[in-house]
Amino acid sequence: GESVGLHLPTLSVQEGDNSIINCAYSNSASDYFIWYKQESGKGPQFIIDIRSNMDKRQGQRVTVLLNKTVKHLSLQIAATQPGDSAVYFCAENPVFGNEKLTFGTGTRLTIIP
Amino acid sequence: NAGVTQTPKFQVLKTGQSMTLQCAQDMNHEYMSWYRQDPGMGLRLIHYSVGAGITDQGEVPNGYNVSRSTTEDFPLRLLSAAPSQTSVYFCASRKGRDYEQYFGPGTRLTVT
Repeated sequence: GESVGLHLPTLSVQEGDNSIINCAYSNSASDYFIWYKQESGKGPQFIIDIRSNMDKRQGQRVTVLLNKTVKHLSLQIAATQPGDSAVYFCAENPVFGNEKLTFGTGTRLTIIP
Repeated sequence: NAGVTQTPKFQVLKTGQSMTLQCAQDMNHEYMSWYRQDPGMGLRLIHYSVGAGITDQGEVPNGYNVSRSTTEDFPLRLLSAAPSQTSVYFCASRKGRDYEQYFGPGTRLTVT
């Protein structure tokens, strides 16, 4: 899961296996959640989002699960590839569409060949 | 499309100096934002704009100014650099409130 500490949580996964990255969010009133991928030396890249009226949303090889009861968000990546190695972080927003997102610190995913 | 571009990529300033970080996008996006990214912390919003001529403060606006005279450009000005402004700065844009953000490659700023 994510941490506010200086060192990012890390997750190492064998190539071809599935990855699950977790995020505990803080605001029970948050309405909108986003997962980003950030490769070394690059800007964040949008992966997938979900509104609070949904529990699950699927994209290409990725699935986001939302558990509002325990304020938990997860990102599942199927059949991980070397190109999936990056830092992944979540963001929450109490109001869909406004600019004031709260970002998590991230989890570093390393794919083992 | 070049997407979101930022210049410079790296910059070193002395305390008290001023400078402008440039951000431009060629996607005709209405919304643009500036963030800073520090070790151990999530991205934090500095300033944002929902259209030309409109700007507003984010979470950490002190020490920074912005203006939005065109849709394409959204420069961030550091008025008097301080070591606490050492960070990686990202500019982002999106088409509107219902759309995803696109981030630039970042500017790494060091203030000594």
